[in-house]
Amino acid sequence: GESVGLHLPTLSVQEGDNSIINCAYSNSASDYFIWYKQESGKGPQFIIDIRSNMDKRQGQRVTVLLNKTVKHLSLQIAATQPGDSAVYFCAETPNSGYALNFGKGTSLLVTP
Amino acid sequence: DGGITQSPKYLFRKEGQNVTLSCEQNLNHDAMYWYRQDPGQGLRLIYYSQIVNDFQKGDIAEGYSVSREKKESFPLTVTSAQKNPTAFYLCASSKGHNTEAFFGQGTRLTVV
Repeated sequence: GESVGLHLPTLSVQEGDNSIINCAYSNSASDYFIWYKQESGKGPQFIIDIRSNMDKRQGQRVTVLLNKTVKHLSLQIAATQPGDSAVYFCAETPNSGYALNFGKGTSLLVTP
Repeated sequence: DGGITQSPKYLFRKEGQNVTLSCEQNLNHDAMYWYRQDPGQGLRLIYYSQIVNDFQKGDIAEGYSVSREKKESFPLTVTSAQKNPTAFYLCASSKGHNTEAFFGQGTRLTVV
């Protein structure tokens, strides 16, 4: 079946470094992608989204890159802070579907 | 404040009992969703509703039921037919297809 998955289940970075979280998707018909941050015991919070007609989008300290050729999505966090420690999920909606389809998540740990 | 509210935050039930989880939103969103999250896992879609009085099964609908009688409300019933109901349940809403979904803070259901 089609799926959304992540390359790295855990990522440890030092405070101030840049973080890159990767996500592979298998549905070439997906046309909307989104990144969420989830802190322990809480609901996911929106970080940034991107549509399939774009390959890059920037927010505050975050950048999402979309490579449709290899079906790869990444989230870059600049100057990572301890408050960035959380689980990050990528999600997509396929052209034929309606609801977001989530990957398994990457745990980001920021050390001082 | 606009948002999406789930209640209760923690819920304990005996095996064999049905239980209903509440989800209310005041964002005037047409679409609402229920996801299940197990420890260390991504979110899996249970049911979704694109509009009042209409809903569709997601990937893991067996043992669950929903209703959408009002735009603001999308309660989820976990029935005794659900084999492994202990999990973290997340409700979300969105304006529609290919738009950001806003999540509630979740209900942690424990069945003993």
